[in-house]
Amino acid sequence: QQQVKQSPQSLIVQKGGISIINCAYENTAFDYFPWYQQFPGKGPALLIAIRPDVSEKKEGRFTISFNKSAKQFSLHIMDSQPGDSATYFCAASRGGGGATNKLIFGTGTLLAVQP
Amino acid sequence: DVKVTQSSRYLVKRTGEKVFLECVQDMDHENMFWYRQDPGLGLRLIYFSYDVKMKEKGDIPEGYSVSREKKERFSLILESASTNQTSMYLCASSFDRTARELFFGEGSRLTVL
Repeated sequence: QQQVKQSPQSLIVQKGGISIINCAYENTAFDYFPWYQQFPGKGPALLIAIRPDVSEKKEGRFTISFNKSAKQFSLHIMDSQPGDSATYFCAASRGGGGATNKLIFGTGTLLAVQP
Repeated sequence: DVKVTQSSRYLVKRTGEKVFLECVQDMDHENMFWYRQDPGLGLRLIYFSYDVKMKEKGDIPEGYSVSREKKERFSLILESASTNQTSMYLCASSFDRTARELFFGEGSRLTVL
């Protein structure tokens, strides 16, 4: 119930194309779903996040689509650029209760955008 | 900008050695975390701390311990390193217990021979 399943493991996209990464979860208590981006030699950094009360959130070329009934969410990168080449992690956490929340991460997707 | 600094970027140790990984954050964050990153397994939480001298086990605490004597510093300790602990170790901090945004260091790559 604590897992977040992420696919694909790796993805190659042509410049200008759309990159799509999918994640699924089981624990319906999760209420926060962020995506992290990690460049080689760096730590992951928060890219975009969504709460389950909305079905979509867009920030520039990055969009999260959220399907609460299917317990799935995805990251879409429009007009993908070589500079987007990185590893992307989805994650989920549960709020409330006073205890420190923990982020549960997916297994990561290595995205390569070819020029 | 928040800065999380991991003092050692690369370490090579021998089986059975005691290993200390140090992490310092400069933003007075309450929470600090240690993750390990392995290909195909993502980021797995080892330990976290929500206050000085407080710690909680994460999902894979076996073989590790932690120390948080000061708010800004969180250390990961491998009492007796083993080859299966060869990995990338990432330290992170968050402002409060909601942990809505984690700030990560650049990682410490540990090789145990």
